[in-house]
Amino acid sequence: SAVISQKPSRDICQRGTSLTIQCQVDSQVTMMFWYRQQPGQSLTLIATANQGSEATYESGFVIDKFPISRPNLTFSTLTVSNMSPEDSSIYLCSVEDPAFSGGYTFGSGTRLTVV
Amino acid sequence: KNEVEQSPQNLTAQEGEFITINCSYSVGISALHWLQQHPGGGIVSLFMLSSGKKKHGRLIATINIQEKHSSLHITASHPRDSAVYICAVGVDSNYQLIWGAGTKLIIKP
Repeated sequence: SAVISQKPSRDICQRGTSLTIQCQVDSQVTMMFWYRQQPGQSLTLIATANQGSEATYESGFVIDKFPISRPNLTFSTLTVSNMSPEDSSIYLCSVEDPAFSGGYTFGSGTRLTVV
Repeated sequence: KNEVEQSPQNLTAQEGEFITINCSYSVGISALHWLQQHPGGGIVSLFMLSSGKKKHGRLIATINIQEKHSSLHITASHPRDSAVYICAVGVDSNYQLIWGAGTKLIIKP
């Protein structure tokens, strides 16, 4: 199955700053997904990133706050902009696994704390 | 009512015990996923099921499509099994997953 390298694994950031999270996949994938998991909550889909087109954002998430890049079929970044303590969460990327239909592979997660 | 319900929310057991985590859903699905999330946050896919039963090592997952219910079993549980176990369902109409709230499992030595 696909392997995802997600960086950084954790960070502590000052409010008002921005953090860019990277996901590198070891195989070409069409769709990449970015999730947020707030403390004690289940995962929430932020957006879906297709190569060569604008990301599709879910209700409650906007591009100005969470800009996404997808320059090729193996790489994507999510930026958390103008951070506030409410952005403290785990952020995860995911891809549909090309090895089996309907399966997903996840990154190791980025634990973000905003102070 | 959530579309995917897991029970129990929390489970503490002694090493060696047989563990069962349940997942019920109310929507039509293409597949059901069981995932494991460790304290650092990373998620590992354990199983993807559309029917029947799958086994991997000490883990067994079953699904009953008619009853819209799935179970994850852990035999001979070990402290390293301590994690949050999450059930998620894929819906026929799109790629999105509907997530359960997770079951926090603690296995004591």
